Amino acid sequence: GAVVSQHPSRVICKSGTSVKIECRSLDFQATTMFWYRQFPKQSLMLMATSNEGSKATYEQGVEKDKFLINHASLTLSTLTVTSAHPEDSSFYICSARGGSLSPLHFGNGTRLTVT
Amino acid sequence: QKEVEQDPGPLSVPEGAIVSLNCTYSNSAFQYFMWYRQYSRKGPELLMYTYSSGNKEDGRFTAQVDKSSKYISLFIRDSQPSDSATYLCAPVIQGAQKLVFGQGTRLTINP
Repeated sequence: GAVVSQHPSRVICKSGTSVKIECRSLDFQATTMFWYRQFPKQSLMLMATSNEGSKATYEQGVEKDKFLINHASLTLSTLTVTSAHPEDSSFYICSARGGSLSPLHFGNGTRLTVT
Repeated sequence: QKEVEQDPGPLSVPEGAIVSLNCTYSNSAFQYFMWYRQYSRKGPELLMYTYSSGNKEDGRFTAQVDKSSKYISLFIRDSQPSDSATYLCAPVIQGAQKLVFGQGTRLTINP
């Protein structure tokens, strides 16, 4: 089946620093990738949608200058959390699909802890 | 009204029981339907997806869609402790970029 690889799986950083999370589709070309955030015992919250070669579309309430998304190729998207604060601590999950009729496949998530 | 409603549970059943997980949706434009399973601290994994009303079976799992009632179900037969996870439904509009997820139902299978 389709595989989406997300790295790192866990990261701890100090307040004020930036963290980059990578999401790769390993065996298919992902025309669209999505970034989600998930708090404990809650469902997935869509942060943004990125299409290869174009600017990401952010959901209402998500700061685009804080959560920088780059989708430079059909197999790689990155999320950079800039000037991280403790309230940014969360579980971030990426997903990818090959086309509008293709199912969505998820990475295994990145647990970010900002101290 | 939310686009997708799913009872968050928690749902706890004994091993071997038949489990029924359900979602309702309000948008008649939804055309196909996916179920994901999420273990703790992991990303969701696709379990099943179906395009039409009726049943689709895969091993111990059966996905059921009733478009007239806007009701979707996932049945798990002979449930195992390893089935303990959160199950999310996700109806999809063809051509739409975004998926809308249900809240997820936390399921525990007790040995």
